[in-house]
Amino acid sequence: DAGVIQSPRHEVTEMGQEVTLRCKPISGHDYLFWYRQTMMRGLELLIYFNNNVPIDDSGMPEDRFSAKMPNASFSTLKIQPSEPRDSAVYFCASSWGSGPYNEQFFGPGTRLTVL
Amino acid sequence: AQRVTQPEKLLSVFKGAPVELKCNYSYSGSPELFWYVQYSRQRLQLLLRHISRESIKGFTADLNKGETSFHLKKPFAQEEDSAMYYCALWSGTASKLTFGTGTRLQVTL
Repeated sequence: DAGVIQSPRHEVTEMGQEVTLRCKPISGHDYLFWYRQTMMRGLELLIYFNNNVPIDDSGMPEDRFSAKMPNASFSTLKIQPSEPRDSAVYFCASSWGSGPYNEQFFGPGTRLTVL
Repeated sequence: AQRVTQPEKLLSVFKGAPVELKCNYSYSGSPELFWYVQYSRQRLQLLLRHISRESIKGFTADLNKGETSFHLKKPFAQEEDSAMYYCALWSGTASKLTFGTGTRLQVTL
């Protein structure tokens, strides 16, 4: 298993453009998480899904951010319009079950730079 | 609301010296705590969890409820320990992990 797959690995865009980040979780995992990593705030949970249904999106910074999970093997995080302060590394993680015994497996991350 | 604090952004130690990465938490319930590690060019991965009472790669962490701390310790640092370390708290009510801001450990010769 290749683990959690994210694409693209790097994205450079200009302010105002739409950005779409993609994630393929580990097969069989029923939870999917989107995190954002910045120097100032560390790792923040943006949203998570259970069986393709969004459960908690309280970490999504504002309406410019949206996430979908159309099926068990694919999720997207979209930023429209993008702003320089969105520059960060975005991680996707998946797990089988949700709890202290259920390890989250992380993807390699997408490094987003908004100019 | 739950909160995890890692006061040091960078910790630099010499090879062979003891290491202690600090983590303090705020949580009203019974805490479940973890340490995650990200080595250079590798994925973020679980290092150890409080509930397993384990020692991984020579690292241990003890939960101190009185001091609300979960510091990560290793008696003798190795070069390969250089990495970014995140402390995380599991919230049963919200069913999610809250991470600290991370500490970069740099082990030098």
